[in-house]
Amino acid sequence: DVKVTQSSRYLVKRTGEKVFLECVQDMDHENMFWYRQDPGLGLRLIYFSYDVKMKEKGDIPEGYSVSREKKERFSLILESASTNQTSMYLCASALGGQPQHFGDGTRLSIL
Amino acid sequence: AQSVTQPDIHITVSEGASLELRCNYSYGATPYLFWYVQSPGQGLQLLLKYFSGDTLVQGIKGFEAEFKRSQSSFNLRKPSVHWSDAAEYFCAVGAPTNAGKSTFGDGTTLTVKP
Repeated sequence: DVKVTQSSRYLVKRTGEKVFLECVQDMDHENMFWYRQDPGLGLRLIYFSYDVKMKEKGDIPEGYSVSREKKERFSLILESASTNQTSMYLCASALGGQPQHFGDGTRLSIL
Repeated sequence: AQSVTQPDIHITVSEGASLELRCNYSYGATPYLFWYVQSPGQGLQLLLKYFSGDTLVQGIKGFEAEFKRSQSSFNLRKPSVHWSDAAEYFCAVGAPTNAGKSTFGDGTTLTVKP
């Protein structure tokens, strides 16, 4: 069964810090995604990657960057964390147009 | 551009009652359609998917959904709801190309009364 693992379930950081959220999948999927989820706003796509070192902006990329140096790992980076980036972050992977497989999420608080 | 509308933000049903969650999509061609469920504090889990063929699809946990092209709908149903079905449900539309990107609805929260 596909496993998508996010490095932290809960994370607390301070304003201005550089924050790294890590995601690893074990099924050789070429596509990986980062979403943030906020009450009443559903899932919003931040960035996605369709191959190693390839990335595209999603709907809300501002304040974020990503890195995909290996196929199984997709990192989300908050360059300078701000309080409005407090949210639940979900990582997902998929093979082609197949359904996405999600990690359990990282609840990030920026103080 | 593709889009998904889930008209009901919150639905409450009694345990044992039937359930229907609505989903309307906008997409130029035949879409890939999905329903996911999210329990509190968890990621999303796939309930069922539609790619082509039979318009009535069966999923896990006793759920089914029907694709109606004329109505641009993909409603989720369950004949008898269990307390453990209380969760948030997301409809999504995707495509065979476009790097597997899906567009998600805003979700419907299901509360089950005892």
